[in-house]
Amino acid sequence: DARVTQTPRDKVTEMGQEVTMRCQPILGHNTVFWYRQTMMQGLELLAYFRNRAPLDDSGMPKDRFSAEMPDATLATLKIQPSEPRDSAVYFCASGLTGGGYGYTFGSGTRLTVV
Amino acid sequence: DAKTTQPTSMDCAEGRAANLPCNHSTISGNEYVYWYRQIHSQGPQYIIHGLKNNETNEMASLIITEDRKSSTLILPHATLRDTAVYYCIVRVTYDKVIFGPGTSLSVIP
Repeated sequence: DARVTQTPRDKVTEMGQEVTMRCQPILGHNTVFWYRQTMMQGLELLAYFRNRAPLDDSGMPKDRFSAEMPDATLATLKIQPSEPRDSAVYFCASGLTGGGYGYTFGSGTRLTVV
Repeated sequence: DAKTTQPTSMDCAEGRAANLPCNHSTISGNEYVYWYRQIHSQGPQYIIHGLKNNETNEMASLIITEDRKSSTLILPHATLRDTAVYYCIVRVTYDKVIFGPGTSLSVIP
């Protein structure tokens, strides 16, 4: 089965450090999403891309978060500087626009900022 | 995107059918009903979707009322592995997925 691959699986970092999370979408998928999940807020959409162009990043704190797709096989989410409130599980998902099917999610990156 | 309303939690006996309801009274004509689930500590998983007709796949069945204002996801023979949070989402096919709180389904032995 095709999968969305996220790295790292777990990350513990100190407050103020830069964190980069990576996502390899399924080959051929043209839409990529970043979500964040916490117990308090549930699943929140941070940003999404179509054909590598950012479509909506209104869910992302702009001062510290940035999302990019350097090429079709890689999406990155960067936090600089990280804060304890950024501790969450970050999910990447990919899919085909108009494909009529659901999106495929990765296993997530569990981020702990101490 | 139209909003959905789901019960917070439900129980189901193992081997029985689990029927998960969803209300979406403000759904637009071009919006589909999608269901995802999230098993603890995993990423959400797509289950099924439909527009107006009932749909069935290897995982579940989706029953949409004629007025499209509500739907039911049916897991015909629930197993312990079906314990998860189930999300009902309505959207156009090309749009983003916004998750609500979903229904936490517990399958009881």
